[in-house]
Order: sequence, then structure tokens, then C-alpha cells
Amino acid sequence: ETGVTQTPRHLVMGMTNKKSLKCEQHLGHNAMYWYKQSAKKPLELMFVYSLEERVENNSVPSRFSPECPNSSHLFLHLHTLQPEDSALYLCASSSRAAGGPDNEQFFGPGTRLTVL
Amino acid sequence: TQLLEQSPQFLSIQEGENLTVYCNSSSVFSSLQWYRQEPGEGPVLLVTVVTGGEVKKLKRLTFQFGDARKDSSLHITAAQPGDTGLYLCAGARRGNYQLIWGAGTKLIIKP
Repeated sequence: ETGVTQTPRHLVMGMTNKKSLKCEQHLGHNAMYWYKQSAKKPLELMFVYSLEERVENNSVPSRFSPECPNSSHLFLHLHTLQPEDSALYLCASSSRAAGGPDNEQFFGPGTRLTVL
Repeated sequence: TQLLEQSPQFLSIQEGENLTVYCNSSSVFSSLQWYRQEPGEGPVLLVTVVTGGEVKKLKRLTFQFGDARKDSSLHITAAQPGDTGLYLCAGARRGNYQLIWGAGTKLIIKP
């Protein structure tokens, strides 16, 4: 595997279900991101793990819970979601380095989530 | 408030035509990136512009960063069906690894 991989690619879940999204990066990067992409809206940054610190967007509901066990793996745990949470969830990684163009992000293919 | 405005939101043109997509802001960015996203895939980085006034070319695609580093444009010459996709711009601010994203321009090139 190369680049950034995400599983599953598609997920349909009910509002009472619990599921997890998985992301893995094979690029040796030290930062990983979860984004939510909805039609006609800018990418919404949900969580960042960088150099073992976690940054979160305060507007993200607590029904989304991230986990980053190491620099290569990232999870997004989902529970009691709402229909408005239906979207494409993208994982990305980047390499943080002082003074360099360290913002270039490499994305996975995304998980298309539908909440019924 | 959207910090990066992209225009147009949607563009459908015939193969062989030229087009320009704009990315505008009132904020100054240390660099600006352009990505292309195809259906069912994540965004893929096309180019990063760093210096005010910088122009970069990628085959038929020309990217320009405004002199004040607040805006950017993407010009495509003789568009091809393979150029179809969602074009996203993202601005970076020095010392902050989080990007500011535009909402994207959906481009369709008809054969």
C-alpha cells in the first residue's frame, strides 16, 4: 500500500449504531487530519494529530471521537450520529517541518457516510 | 464567514476552450495550494505558490499568486475532458499548519 488509505469506502449506518473509520498513511508523515466534506462547502477540519498533540475544532459534536494510536494510524469513532452527519469523511497527512512548506497535505480517498 | 472565496462555483464548457478560476481573500497567506478532486477520490495537490506575483505552469495549467498574497488564479488553456473535477484552493498561514479552504469550483469539460 502506498499513500493514504481509508476504510471502509462506503458506510451506511442507523442513528443508534456505533462504527469506526480507519485511516493509514505510508508516507512517514507526522501529522494526520480528519475532514468533513459536504457539497458546496469548504472542507471542515475536525481533528488534527500532530507530533503527538491533538487539536480539535470546538464545533465538532462529541458523537465524533478520534483516536491516533501512532503516527501512521488514525481512527474516527462514530456513535449516535444524525442524518446531517452524512458526508464524505477525508483523512489527510502531512509532514511538519520548521520553516518549510509543511502544509502540503496528502489525502485518502474518503469514506462516504450515510446516516439513516 | 468564509475566508477564501472561490469563483465560479460551477463551470461547464466545451473541450478546447480556455477558463480561469479565482480564489480570493482579504487575508494574507504565506502560501496557497491548489488541489483537484475527482469523483470518489480525495483531493490531490497540483501546485503550491509561495511568493507574491509568482506564476507556475503545469502543462496547460497556469497558476498565479497575487502580489499581495491574498488571491490566486488558475487558468486552463485548451481544456480537456480529463480536466474535469473539483478544484480547491487552500491558504496557509506562517506558523499554523492548518489550511483555510475554499468551497471549490466544480469544472466539467464536455467532449
